[in-house]
Amino acid sequence: QVVLTQPPSASAPLGASVKLTCTLTSGHSAYAIAWHQQQPDKGPRFLMRVNNDGSLLKGDEIPDRFSGSSSGAERYLTISSLQSDDEAEYHCQTWGADKWVFGGGTKLTVL
Amino acid sequence: EVHLVESGGDLVRPGRSLRLSCAASGFAFDVYDMHWVRRPPGKGLEWVSGINWDSSVEDYADSVKGRFTISRNNARDSLFLQMNSLRVEDTAFYYCARLRSGGGVFDYWGPGTLVTVSS
Repeated sequence: QVVLTQPPSASAPLGASVKLTCTLTSGHSAYAIAWHQQQPDKGPRFLMRVNNDGSLLKGDEIPDRFSGSSSGAERYLTISSLQSDDEAEYHCQTWGADKWVFGGGTKLTVL
Repeated sequence: EVHLVESGGDLVRPGRSLRLSCAASGFAFDVYDMHWVRRPPGKGLEWVSGINWDSSVEDYADSVKGRFTISRNNARDSLFLQMNSLRVEDTAFYYCARLRSGGGVFDYWGPGTLVTVSS
């Protein structure tokens, strides 16, 4: 079954860029994933879908500062010009025969 | 504008029941599949259950199968989750989520409702 692996934490200075990673298990490198942002005490917010060819489908009104990419079994979320309200948990998600699967989430701290 | 708002969360004893509701607005509720996802304290998101647009297909995570029942009322733009035989490990924020047309991606979420199961 597919498993999504995310580092538990990441940090970057205000105004900088950060690249978050979501890794698919071996044998599932063709899967698309979705990125969701969850700010403290709020529900998740869909950011984008990242396909294995790197093509993207972004959610409504998601700023251009948020972009995605793909390489092999890894899917990335890059946030540029970091702002204080980018401090949040970022979850990756996929789907298939294993139904709907989430990674453990990465807590991003903006320094 | 799409809005999803959950309600019904509460503090309950193990073994008891609870019914969650999700009120939808701002979109044609009756053409979208809808799901419940939860987040236990200190953990990541976990898919719980889903129902297709006309209620003909329901699906459940193994951890809740046989105890939880998902349903919907398209005339009232509402989604429900009946939770029976609650366990301590069901403690979590519960979110309703819309499945994007074409499948796979949850594209709108509610703010969540907290279910605490404790003796």
